Amino acid sequence: GAVVSQHPSRVICKSGTSVKIECRSLDFQATTMFWYRQFPKKSLMLMATSNEGSKATYEQGVEKDKFLINHASLTLSTLTVTSAHPEDSSFYICSVTGGNTEAFFGQGTRLTVV
Amino acid sequence: GQQVMQIPQYQHVQEGEDFTTYCNSSTTLSNIQWYKQRPGGHPVFLIQLVKSGEVKKQKRLTFQFGEAKKNSSLHITATQTTDVGTYFCAGNFNKFYFGSGTKLNVKP
Repeated sequence: GAVVSQHPSRVICKSGTSVKIECRSLDFQATTMFWYRQFPKKSLMLMATSNEGSKATYEQGVEKDKFLINHASLTLSTLTVTSAHPEDSSFYICSVTGGNTEAFFGQGTRLTVV
Repeated sequence: GQQVMQIPQYQHVQEGEDFTTYCNSSTTLSNIQWYKQRPGGHPVFLIQLVKSGEVKKQKRLTFQFGEAKKNSSLHITATQTTDVGTYFCAGNFNKFYFGSGTKLNVKP
């Protein structure tokens, strides 16, 4: 299966700053990647679909100006949490899927905004 | 977005007892997948079901896809402490939406 690397695994930032999370597909050219958010003891909530070379598609209720997604190459998608606030603290995880096949997840990034 | 409902939210069993979690969608799914997430870890793929009425087995785990392709279940026979974790279904509506998950705790 595909190997997905996500970085950083943990980050603590001050309120008002921006944080960039990287998702790399190491052995698979991913035209599409997905970003999820998981609150403690909750399920994974699909935030957006990252499309290589074009704009990301955001799910209803997700602020696109708050969560900037860039998918500049077939192996890298980035999620930037802009002007982070404590309520943005969460576990963010990306995935790569090849159409109808299984999704391969990155290790996730635990963001804490203080 | 699309919704996939999953029950129960929690299940506590004694080691050796069986466990079942259920997923329901209001609309027909093209396929459904099941994942397991250990505490502190990321979701790990277990299986994908595609055909109406499909049943697949992996050792003590049995997965079913409903005839209408709107519901699915995961059954674990004779649970072990290694089965502890949260089990998620993910319905495919051209992209995957996850159920709320069932957290399984197994007492030795």
